[in-house]
Amino acid sequence: AQRVTQPEKLLSVFKGAPVELKCNYSYSGSPELFWYVQYSRQRLQLLLRHISRESIKGFTADLNKGETSFHLKKPFAQEEDSAMYYCAPQPPVQGGSEKLVFGKGMKLTVNP
Amino acid sequence: KAGVTQTPRYLIKTRGQQVTLSCSPISGHRSVSWYQQTPGQGLQFLFEYFSETQRNKGNFPGRFSGRQFSNSRSEMNVSTLELGDSALYLCASVALPGTDTQYFGPGTRLTVL
Repeated sequence: AQRVTQPEKLLSVFKGAPVELKCNYSYSGSPELFWYVQYSRQRLQLLLRHISRESIKGFTADLNKGETSFHLKKPFAQEEDSAMYYCAPQPPVQGGSEKLVFGKGMKLTVNP
Repeated sequence: KAGVTQTPRYLIKTRGQQVTLSCSPISGHRSVSWYQQTPGQGLQFLFEYFSETQRNKGNFPGRFSGRQFSNSRSEMNVSTLELGDSALYLCASVALPGTDTQYFGPGTRLTVL
């Protein structure tokens, strides 16, 4: 079955510690891969997408096609990184689609 | 540019009623998608529209329907409401399919009593 898994629901670290938010997916074809973030009382917003290969707010995401993983990493977490993070593959659909399939999300708390 | 707007922001209905939610995309955006967010199921895709045509539909019963108007504004309707329909309903817009980031609205919080 096609699905996306974020194995951890909660992650709590201290400021300056490295963080890794895990995401595994199982889709046929080559889905476009995204990470979305939702800060407290704010809208869901794009953090980064694989195809652009950017580093946003110090976060990077590595695609491992062999393991079908797209883990999000940051070497030194900041308090303002505290938020809900969602991994969201965009499965290829004949004819095209903007449909995103979201993981259940992971709450990151960065303590001072 | 103004962001995606959704109205109303909060709604309380009773079982069996129907409800219509509205989404106004960012000016110039022509594609709108809808999602349902619940604590148990997370974010689930409902449907998407482009140029007034439904392009894709999620796995929801026929009580959930939507449409898009010529100005790209979109509405979704839920008929015969059930308790389980209580959720945050989000819409997202993109300028053209496959070309840009999706921008999400603040959502409409629907409570079914």
